[in-house]
Amino acid sequence: QKEVEQNSGPLSVPEGAIASLNCTYSDRGSQSFFWYRQYSGKSPELIMFIYSNGDKEDGRFTAQLNKASQYVSLLIRDSQPSDSATYLCAVRTGGFKTIFGAGTRLFVKA
Amino acid sequence: ETGVTQTPRHLVMGMTNKKSLKCEQHLGHNAMYWYKQSAKKPLELMFVYSLEERVENNSVPSRFSPECPNSSHLFLHLHTLQPEDSALYLCASSQESLAGVGEQYFGPGTRLTVT
Repeated sequence: QKEVEQNSGPLSVPEGAIASLNCTYSDRGSQSFFWYRQYSGKSPELIMFIYSNGDKEDGRFTAQLNKASQYVSLLIRDSQPSDSATYLCAVRTGGFKTIFGAGTRLFVKA
Repeated sequence: ETGVTQTPRHLVMGMTNKKSLKCEQHLGHNAMYWYKQSAKKPLELMFVYSLEERVENNSVPSRFSPECPNSSHLFLHLHTLQPEDSALYLCASSQESLAGVGEQYFGPGTRLTVT
């Protein structure tokens, strides 16, 4: 069973701090990795994707990928209360299959 | 309209009813997906269509029947559902190519309640 694991949280950080969200996956053949943000009662919204080892930065967000350790992370710098949401890690394992983690709830305290 | 749209946004149906969910993507993508999201559970992939052909069917019960008449529209026909089918049903689309990663964009979802 191919799996994507995330700590369910909640992860609580003060406003202005760095939030670090982590994800591990089981399928070594996985090709692409995605982070989605989902506000309560809303649908997932794509934040960014990464497919090569290393870091990828987009504004306040940095995705990090380590294929050897089967580990993906998302860093949110200068966290804002509006960043409070559930963050979903998704892994494209092959063909059209994308497996989602259960998500980590982030709470940014003002 | 932009992005991915879904109708209806909310649906309450009895176990003997027949209803359909509709999804339309305005992104020019060539693949469309149905997902189920239940409380406290990860998104579950149900069906995938690529160029109007079904390419994934994730052991979904036959009471769910997908239809993809063209690359912009996707339907999910529902009949004789069970209360445990109550969930948020999400449609997504992606552009599949050799050079891309196939990132998916989601519609707002249909909140389904089976009574």
